[in-house]
Amino acid sequence: GENVEQHPSTLSVQEGDSAVIKCTYSDSASNYFPWYKQELGKRPQLIIDIRSNVGEKKDQRIAVTLNKTAKHFSLHITETQPEDSAVYFCAASIRSASKIIFGSGTRLSIRP
Amino acid sequence: KAGVTQTPRYLIKTRGQQVTLSCSPISGHRSVSWYQQTPGQGLQFLFEYFSETQRNKGNFPGRFSGRQFSNSRSEMNVSTLELGDSALYLCASGDQQETDTQYFGPGTRLTVL
Repeated sequence: GENVEQHPSTLSVQEGDSAVIKCTYSDSASNYFPWYKQELGKRPQLIIDIRSNVGEKKDQRIAVTLNKTAKHFSLHITETQPEDSAVYFCAASIRSASKIIFGSGTRLSIRP
Repeated sequence: KAGVTQTPRYLIKTRGQQVTLSCSPISGHRSVSWYQQTPGQGLQFLFEYFSETQRNKGNFPGRFSGRQFSNSRSEMNVSTLELGDSALYLCASGDQQETDTQYFGPGTRLTVL
């Protein structure tokens, strides 16, 4: 069945450094890849997404890359700040299937 | 526009009981998805409704069911509750017309004793 693997499960980086979270998906028909940020006690919030016809997308300090051949996609956060501390979830979906499969999450901690 | 709302926010039940959770999507959104979030299993897809029809469902037992009304509001029901059903239940809405983006509600924290 469909599966999304996410690594690492925890990540600690120095403030100002970059953080990278990687995901792989199993279903080659997946065509939409959102990333969500969930702060403690809050709902998941969409931070960036990418479609299968695009290789990279950037929004200020956040970027996502997609390698369709390898079925990999990654989240890059540059110049990390304390407010970036949260759990990040990647996901993959097939629009026609109306189903989004989430990765297991990465707990990102920013060290001052 | 108002965001996705869920009621109740917290619920305590005992084993064997049943529970109904409610989700009101963003105005104009016709797609509502439900997820179970637990520390060990992450976000697990339960089912998705669009215009009152269930279009897809995850790998959960038949004790988990849902429905969607003509105003797009959705309910989720869990019967014969088990301790393992304790979780945060999140719903998400989307317009499904131009984007697959889903917007999450605050969730209902269910505790089964």
